[in-house]
Amino acid sequence: QKEVEQNSGPLSVPEGAIASLNCTYSDRGSQSFFWYRQYSGKSPELIMSIYSNGDKEDGRFTAQLNKASQYVSLLIRDSQPSDSATYLCAVIDTGNQFYFGTGTSLTVIP
Amino acid sequence: DTEVTQTPKHLVMGMTNKKSLKCEQHMGHRAMYWYKQKAKKPPELMFVYSYEKLSINESVPSRFSPECPNSSLLNLHLHALQPEDSALYLCASSPEGEKLFFGSGTQLSVL
Repeated sequence: QKEVEQNSGPLSVPEGAIASLNCTYSDRGSQSFFWYRQYSGKSPELIMSIYSNGDKEDGRFTAQLNKASQYVSLLIRDSQPSDSATYLCAVIDTGNQFYFGTGTSLTVIP
Repeated sequence: DTEVTQTPKHLVMGMTNKKSLKCEQHMGHRAMYWYKQKAKKPPELMFVYSYEKLSINESVPSRFSPECPNSSLLNLHLHALQPEDSALYLCASSPEGEKLFFGSGTQLSVL
């Protein structure tokens, strides 16, 4: 079983819609969770960190964490074409190791 | 300074060449990383330095040789690479056990 799993997509949403990206992880003791956005040919850019159960909002982005179910999600409201990218979920496990998911490709259709 | 600086941004090399990738950060982070990323794949961990000592080597071929001269610098020496080594090479740093800050990457092509 992989440490961090994501639906690879591609996920397509119309402009203005909500994009929902999901991630599950295997190490129940993990405490730190991140979402990175990566445009083609560019390096990953951190967009959200979340450490506690519940929701964390930053502008159009909301990260949701449920440690009991071992999943973390990212909602993008009012999706824009500029949000088209690959979104990488990342987790730091109890061994202090940093793991990426396989990434979800998002396309926002104008 | 909140940046991780990587040079060069692009590199083309032949299979007999020797080249080096460089990475620098001045955020006081004590962990530094090299990742390799192929198109449409997630970053793949190569090496981790913690407090200037190599702490993780993910079974990387010896044609890749990392070096950490001091707490701010990280190098990746390349020698006798193969075409399949062509990829985006990413440097990152972090406070211990925290999120990664990435450099802009080096797009490497091996001919």
